[in-house]
Amino acid sequence: GNSVTQMEGPVTLSEEAFLTINCTYTATGYPSLFWYVQYPGEGLQLLLKATKADDKGSNKGFEATYRKETTSFHLEKGSVQVSDSAVYFCALSWIGNQFYFGTGTSLTVIP
Amino acid sequence: DGGITQSPKYLFRKEGQNVTLSCEQNLNHDAMYWYRQDPGQGLRLIYYSQIVNDFQKGDIAEGYSVSREKKESFPLTVTSAQKNPTAFYLCASRQDRVDQPQHFGDGTRLSIL
Repeated sequence: GNSVTQMEGPVTLSEEAFLTINCTYTATGYPSLFWYVQYPGEGLQLLLKATKADDKGSNKGFEATYRKETTSFHLEKGSVQVSDSAVYFCALSWIGNQFYFGTGTSLTVIP
Repeated sequence: DGGITQSPKYLFRKEGQNVTLSCEQNLNHDAMYWYRQDPGQGLRLIYYSQIVNDFQKGDIAEGYSVSREKKESFPLTVTSAQKNPTAFYLCASRQDRVDQPQHFGDGTRLSIL
């Protein structure tokens, strides 16, 4: 079946460090892929998405590329800020309204 | 602006009491979802609905009930049969297409008195 496997946290980085959060998926066919961010006490916000192989989603300095050959959608940011501290979720969408979330990765950025 | 409104933000339940969480969307989305999130945990699907007057159980439906009488509204009732209801509840909606994301409300935090 379809599933998403996400890098376990928590992740702690210093400000301006490079961020990578790994996400791999299992799916038949060509799903759409998403990254969400959740700040404490809030709902999930869509960060970026990619709907076909080799698409790159980007937003607020974050990027992720849909890699079909490695079934991956890793989230990256070149220089993190304290305000990026949050929980990040990778997600997959498939036909029949199937939607799968990873377990979330907590990121803390220290000044 | 279009969006999803959940209310109340905080809710307290007494033993043996049913409580209802509200979720309203003005995005004209067909599909709506309810998730439960426990501290430090991911999302678990409670119920979802793809169309008015129809809904399906998710992974943890026991002790919960829903209705979908209007496209805009998808209330969740936490019944007294749910013995551990303390959690953060999230409602989402989505246009029924593979390339479309789910949109989330701000959540309701339910606690036991």
